[in-house]
Amino acid sequence: GQNIDQPTEMTATEGAIVQINCTYQTSGFNGLFWYQQHAGEAPTFLSYNVLDGLEEKGRFSSFLSRSKGYSYLLLKELQMKDSASYLCAVRDSNYQLIWGAGTKLIIKP
Amino acid sequence: IAGITQAPTSQILAAGRRMTLRCTQDMRHNAMYWYRQDLGLGLRLIHYSNTAGTTGKGEVPDGYSVSRANTDDFPLTLASAVPSQTSVYFCASSDGGGGTEAFFGQGTRLTVV
Repeated sequence: GQNIDQPTEMTATEGAIVQINCTYQTSGFNGLFWYQQHAGEAPTFLSYNVLDGLEEKGRFSSFLSRSKGYSYLLLKELQMKDSASYLCAVRDSNYQLIWGAGTKLIIKP
Repeated sequence: IAGITQAPTSQILAAGRRMTLRCTQDMRHNAMYWYRQDLGLGLRLIHYSNTAGTTGKGEVPDGYSVSRANTDDFPLTLASAVPSQTSVYFCASSDGGGGTEAFFGQGTRLTVV
């Protein structure tokens, strides 16, 4: 079957750095997405990786290793507004998105 | 306002009743999707449409139906609601290409009692 694994919850301190990991086993691979979802709101797009390596976008970076079925989202200079759930999703061979359950990130002052 | 709009925002529905959740996008995206999101689970695909006039079943299609008469609208119908269909429902759209992200509506919180 297809599976996306991410930690359920993480806690970090304002101003620090946090890395959220995602491992996947899917039927085919056509890219990996990270989304941010604040409580009670819709998911919003953060990043997309299709080739191995690091993609940097401001305070957020995303890394992919296709051979290991692994990605991480790196958040730097954490702000209170970064408290949210972070969703990892893989586009499979049918071009459908398979979603992880999300990682709830709690930022403490 | 450009984007994707869902209606209603929330609804309490008696079991056995029929309900249609509406979804409209003005981005001219080819692909549209309906997901449900339950606590502790990832977004699960109910139905999708790659282009107007076509639909397909996702991971959890039972008890739901969709239609795609035109590019903009993609309604989701619960023929006879059951309590297990209590969930938050998200409609999404994308250009359909491999690298393009999906844009989500604000969600519909449905409670079946």
